[in-house]
Amino acid sequence: NAGVTQTPKFRVLKTGQSMTLLCAQDMNHEYMYWYRQDPGMGLRLIHYSVGEGTTAKGEVPDGYNVSRLKKQNFLLGLESAAPSQTSVYFCASSSPETVSQETQYFGPGTRLLVL
Amino acid sequence: AQSVTQLGSHVSVSEGALVLLRCNYSSSVPPYLFWYVQYPNQGLQLLLKYTSAATLVKGINGFEAEFKKSETSFHLTKPSAHMSDAAEYFCAVSEGRGNDYKLSFGAGTTVTVRA
Repeated sequence: NAGVTQTPKFRVLKTGQSMTLLCAQDMNHEYMYWYRQDPGMGLRLIHYSVGEGTTAKGEVPDGYNVSRLKKQNFLLGLESAAPSQTSVYFCASSSPETVSQETQYFGPGTRLLVL
Repeated sequence: AQSVTQLGSHVSVSEGALVLLRCNYSSSVPPYLFWYVQYPNQGLQLLLKYTSAATLVKGINGFEAEFKKSETSFHLTKPSAHMSDAAEYFCAVSEGRGNDYKLSFGAGTTVTVRA
């Protein structure tokens, strides 16, 4: 099993450009999450999904959109990138069998630089 | 509402010395608590978790943590540091209400190990 994979690993954008980050998991997990990691702030939840076709806002959703058209994929979109969105983005997934106790499995991250 | 405070953004220890990373939480309900580790340029992986069973939890790589309700703490320890323990460590809390499962992360503690 590959676990959680993220594409791309690194990207440089100019202000105003758009892009989509792809997360894929092969563990048949129901739940998927997008976080951003900034120095001194830990991980902050952007959006999450509790199943195919459903999404919900996290702590810092502004400027991002997400889609979960297939159970194994969770896409994070930036419609008009801003320098404040320079960050490392992590995707994670988990199984809701015992929801609150379940381990989240993380991808390797995508480093995004917005100039 | 829940939050996590990690005391000390950076800890430096000698190889073979005790590693102690402090985590305090606030939660309106009995929490579930996690420690994750992030090695350089990688995603997060679970070290251990507390899910209301034994208050002393043993994890991977010789780490353990003790849940102390009276102190609202979940400190992480390892008796003897190894060079491979150099990483960033995150404490996280979940309140686990129904399907609204979200983790709140602390800001992280970076551990360096001196030879």
